[in-house]
Order: sequence, then structure tokens, then C-alpha cells
Amino acid sequence: GAVVSQHPSRVICKSGTSVKIECRSLDFQATTMFWYRQFPKQSLMLMATSNEGSKATYEQGVEKDKFLINHASLTLSTLTVTSAHPEDSSFYICSARAPGQGRYTEAFFGQGTRLTVV
Amino acid sequence: GQSLEQPSEVTAVEGAIVQINCTYQTSGFYGLSWYQQHDGGAPTFLSYNALDGLEETGRFSSFLSRSDSYGYLLLQELQMKDSASYFCAVKKGGDDKIIFGKGTRLHILP
Repeated sequence: GAVVSQHPSRVICKSGTSVKIECRSLDFQATTMFWYRQFPKQSLMLMATSNEGSKATYEQGVEKDKFLINHASLTLSTLTVTSAHPEDSSFYICSARAPGQGRYTEAFFGQGTRLTVV
Repeated sequence: GQSLEQPSEVTAVEGAIVQINCTYQTSGFYGLSWYQQHDGGAPTFLSYNALDGLEETGRFSSFLSRSDSYGYLLLQELQMKDSASYFCAVKKGGDDKIIFGKGTRLHILP
């Protein structure tokens, strides 16, 4: 299946700093990627839809100035958590779908990034 | 808006069969999918139903009834490695968004 790579897998940062997470589609071009956030033992909550060459679309309640998304190429989307605080500590996961495979294709997920803000 | 309901936890015995139910409310329903997630890992795709009926993939089967807004995941011949969280998810027509349910944590006893 298609491969989505996410980096880093774990990051610890100090409160007030910014952290950048990368999501790459390794063997296909993804015009759209999705960013999710997951707290322990909870569901994946969609944060935003990352669109190549245009602005990201954020879900209700997600601060776009806090979570900056850049989709500069067909294989790379980045999520930057700005001025991170301990409550931003979470598991962040990206996903992408390989195009051109019919009406439905499975979503391929990155490995996730465990962010801890201290 | 949309909502998906599934049991928070299910316990079963190794070798047995377990069914995880999911009911959903959403506009622009396109299909119901199921994902498995082990602790600390990424979700992996299990199955997808766009039409009513049963889809079988090895030990896993998934069922959908669009008229009842209901589906289930059936796991047969349970193995210890099946201990994980299982999420039902809906894909909305018109965009590529996949919205996940809260997840069912499956515990398997030896």
C-alpha cells in the first residue's frame, strides 16, 4: 500500500516554543492531506484539511494561528504548533489518500508524532 | 454535523467471535470504514462498505445497513494480537474527510 511518513515520531519542547511536524507521501502525490489530533484513549479528531497550493481548511474550534499548516508540494505537508503549551501535548497524526483509485480509497496514516510540552 | 456511536470497550476470549457495532448520523454519507489502532501506533485500514451487505476479508467482516444507519465489524477466530482499538469512520461525499467514532477498545482474554 501507499506510504505516508511522519517526522519526528516524538518531540519534547519547552512551553512557548514552536514545533514543526512533517508529513510526506513517499510513493504518491497527495493534493490533500489531513491532520488529526488524538488524546490518550480517545478518538482521532480532525483538525484541518491541508490543500496543496492553497490555504488549509480548519475544523470548527481549531485555532488556525496556533496550528499553522503549509502544503508546499504534492508530497509534503507541515503542521507547526506555535507557542506550544502543556495542553497542546498530544498525538498528532497525518493522513493522505492516493488519488485515482476509484470512488473510495483507504486513508494512509503517518506513524504519528507524540508531542510533549514541558 | 455528524456523530458515530460505538461501545467504548468489548471483552472476548481468544478463538471466539466478537461483533463491534456502530451507528452513525451524518449528512452526505458516502460509506462506512473500519480502522484498527494498536497502542502508540497509527490507524490501519480494515474494511469499507459503501453498499448494504457484508464484506469479508479473511477473519474480518464488515456489514452496513444504510437504511438503519448502522454497521458492524465482525472479528472471527480472535487472536491476542487483535487486542487494539477499533474505530468506525464515515466518509462524507463531496470531500475527502473521514470522521472517526470514539473507538472501541477490544480486550482479549486467553
